[in-house]
Amino acid sequence: DIQMTQSPSSLSASVRDRVTITCQASQDITHYLNWYQQKPGKAPELLIYDASNLKTGVPSRFTGSGSGTDFTFTITNLQPEDAATYFCQQHDSLPLTFGPGTKVDIK
Amino acid sequence: QVQLVESGGGVVQPGRSLRLSCAASGFTFRNYGIHWVRQAPGKGLEWVAVISDDGTKKYYANSVKGRFTISRDISRDTLYLQMNSLRPEDTALYYCAKVSVYGLRGSLDYWGQGALVTVSS
Repeated sequence: DIQMTQSPSSLSASVRDRVTITCQASQDITHYLNWYQQKPGKAPELLIYDASNLKTGVPSRFTGSGSGTDFTFTITNLQPEDAATYFCQQHDSLPLTFGPGTKVDIK
Repeated sequence: QVQLVESGGGVVQPGRSLRLSCAASGFTFRNYGIHWVRQAPGKGLEWVAVISDDGTKKYYANSVKGRFTISRDISRDTLYLQMNSLRPEDTALYYCAKVSVYGLRGSLDYWGQGALVTVSS
């Protein structure tokens, strides 16, 4: 199974800040990496697919990059409604595996 | 609009069975693979199982293999997860999620709201 790690596990930032989360796969997954946002009591929502593609309707302040084993997720101009936990997920092979999540708080 | 609605959750004793359903609408159900993903209270996301668009391919996490069965009824646009020999560690919110493109892998572009399963004596 492909193991996914994320850092940091949590962070606190101010509105309008730039926030960066990293995700690392235990083996090469090319670009098969997705990012999800989960707010408390809600289901996860897809934000970024295939490393860098923004799902339709998702604000452009969310971006993703990377390939191989190292990936980055960035929120520019952080907004209050971005308080959530963010998960990366690989879909290079089954079983699908998720990172442990990064909780983003707003100061 | 795409909707996935889970049902069938509840409290069950260890060793007993439960069947979850996931009713789909707003898209052509027979064209997409569907996954079950679970989340234990306060924990991360764990993939459980997937079924192909035509129902012929099914894959399971090692933690549930031999105990859980995924199936789908195209005539009812409904996905199922039969859970047998339940254990306390199966306690979680169970989500069904649709694959965005043809195939079994890919991004999960729509999720249900989840069905809570609690395994406790």
